[in-house]
Formats: sequence, structure tokens, C-alpha cells
Amino acid sequence: GNSVTQMEGPVTLSEEAFLTINCTYTATGYPSLFWYVQYPGEGLQLLLKATKADDKGSNKGFEATYRKETTSFHLEKGSVQVSDSAVYFCALSPANQAGTALIFGKGTTLSVSS
Amino acid sequence: GAVVSQHPSWVICKSGTSVKIECRSLDFQATTMFWYRQFPKQSLMLMATSNEGSKATYEQGVEKDKFLINHASLTLSTLTVTSAHPEDSSFYICSAAGTASNYGYTFGSGTRLTVV
Repeated sequence: GNSVTQMEGPVTLSEEAFLTINCTYTATGYPSLFWYVQYPGEGLQLLLKATKADDKGSNKGFEATYRKETTSFHLEKGSVQVSDSAVYFCALSPANQAGTALIFGKGTTLSVSS
Repeated sequence: GAVVSQHPSWVICKSGTSVKIECRSLDFQATTMFWYRQFPKQSLMLMATSNEGSKATYEQGVEKDKFLINHASLTLSTLTVTSAHPEDSSFYICSAAGTASNYGYTFGSGTRLTVV
């Protein structure tokens, strides 16, 4: 079946450090892949997405590349800020299944200190 | 962009009472709504999927008589927690998918329910 595995947290970094949060998936065909961010007490906000292999999603300095060969969609940012502290969720939308729910990873908590 | 408004953002109720949570798509037609429950420091657990005008499809283990979902229009879905108990206390989040957002799902801001 379809599933998403992301690295366990929490991830603790100093401001301006490089960030990588690993995400791998299991799915048939070519699912769409997403990263969502959740700030404390809030819902989820779409951070970036990619819909086909080798696509790179990017937003607010974050980027992730859809790697079919490694079934991965790792999130990266070159220089994190305190304001990036949040929970990050990797998710997939199964291929050819419009209208079905996203499948989420367990989430990774990022804490950035100044 | 697509916006989903969820209300209330927090609610406290007494055991045995019912609570209704609303989720509205403000600028698009939400053909499908998803309701999730999130426990502290955990991921989202899908409770049910509803399509406009149809009965909701509940995930295994979710009591449909306790968590009533109505999706009567393309812009409004409601979740009613009936006869609430303290163990129903949680963070509930809705998500909408519409014809204009095939590759994304817009989430509401969530509702913190506390049953005392």
C-alpha cells in the first residue's frame, strides 16, 4: 500500500544552519508529493509540492526534489531562521486517485535557536 | 489562493453535550472534504471523507454515530461530535479538495476541542 516515512525528530538547529528532513515513500505509479508545515495551534499550510519525477518544488527558501529512483522527497533549506520552527509533514496523493485523502508521514519537529 | 475557514478555533464543552465544527471553502467549490483528528505531537489521523450530497465514508474504527458529518453544499461541511466525552478532546482539522485544486488540498486552521 501507499505510505510515507520521514525522519524522526526533533531536529534542533542553530540559526543559519543547513536543514535536511528526509522523506521516502512507497506508492505505485507517480504520486504527487507535498510538504506541509504546521505552526503551534494552527492547521497545515502547503509549503511546496511536486507532481512528477525530477520536479523541484520550492518556496520561502525551502526546496525538495521528486526522486523516483530513490522514492524520496527530502526537504532542504540552506539557512534556517527561528521563525522556521514548526512541525513539517511529508505527504503523498496517490496516482490516479483524485479525491482521495493525502497520506501523511508522522511529522518532524524543527526547533531553531538564535 | 484557496482558503478554508474553520470555526470555532477552540471550544470547551461539558461531557454529554454535542459540539458542531464548521468548515467553509471561501473561494472555491469543495467537492470533497476530509476530516482529521490530531493528538498532541502526532500526525493527522483521517476520520472520514465526505463528498457533497453524499454520505460520508468513515475510516475503520471511527464511530459514525458519534462523529456526524454533513456536506450539504459545495462550500460547507460540518462535523458534529455527539455526546462528547473527555477522550474526544483533541485537535480536529478539515481539508478541502476542489476542482480547482487537483494537486493540493487546503486545510482549515483547526479546532481545539476540550471536553470537561
